[in-house]
Amino acid sequence: AQSVTQLDSQVPVFEEAPVELRCNYSSSVSVYLFWYVQYPNQGLQLLLKYLSGSTLVKGINGFEAEFNKSQTSFHLRKPSVHISDTAEYFCAVSLLYNFNKFYFGSGTKLNVKP
Amino acid sequence: DAGVTQSPTHLIKTRGQHVTLRCSPISGHKSVSWYQQVLGQGPQFIFQYYEKEERGRGNFPDRFSARQFPNYSSELNVNALLLGDSALYLCASSLAEGTDTQYFGPGTRLTVL
Repeated sequence: AQSVTQLDSQVPVFEEAPVELRCNYSSSVSVYLFWYVQYPNQGLQLLLKYLSGSTLVKGINGFEAEFNKSQTSFHLRKPSVHISDTAEYFCAVSLLYNFNKFYFGSGTKLNVKP
Repeated sequence: DAGVTQSPTHLIKTRGQHVTLRCSPISGHKSVSWYQQVLGQGPQFIFQYYEKEERGRGNFPDRFSARQFPNYSSELNVNALLLGDSALYLCASSLAEGTDTQYFGPGTRLTVL
């Protein structure tokens, strides 16, 4: 069975500080990894994805994530956050053989304070 | 180009009633998936349809059903509504089965009283 764990339900951070949102997954087969962002009353927007190749993936809005196979992690980072980054962030995996079925974590609410 | 659209935006029903939610994928996208997002949780996979055929089903009771039309739009139906069905229902489309990126709509907020 597959599962995704986001260790922090809420992360408060001051503007212009760095942030890391943690994601660990469990799967018996190879997976693809994704980070989505959800702003209030909106759907999910893709931030970045890892399919293969370089383990450091760069996404939109200055975010990046690193795939660590040995630790089964895919942590999201940003070196300097803005007020506009306040949102909920979801980590998701899909299976190599079943691309369209995503397993999501429970989400991390990022609260950027001035 | 328009993104994924869903209707209605909000819906209030009472227990035991039936509901139909609608989704129009991005133009050219042939795969549609449905997710349920209960408050405070991540989305849970319900169904995936491709070329009008069901390709995947999550762990949901038979009260949940869906279909995809020739124009690739989709409906999600839920019968005999329970309080626990209150959630944001998200539709996602992708270009084809097996493509990596899903594009999500804004969702339909269903409240069951």
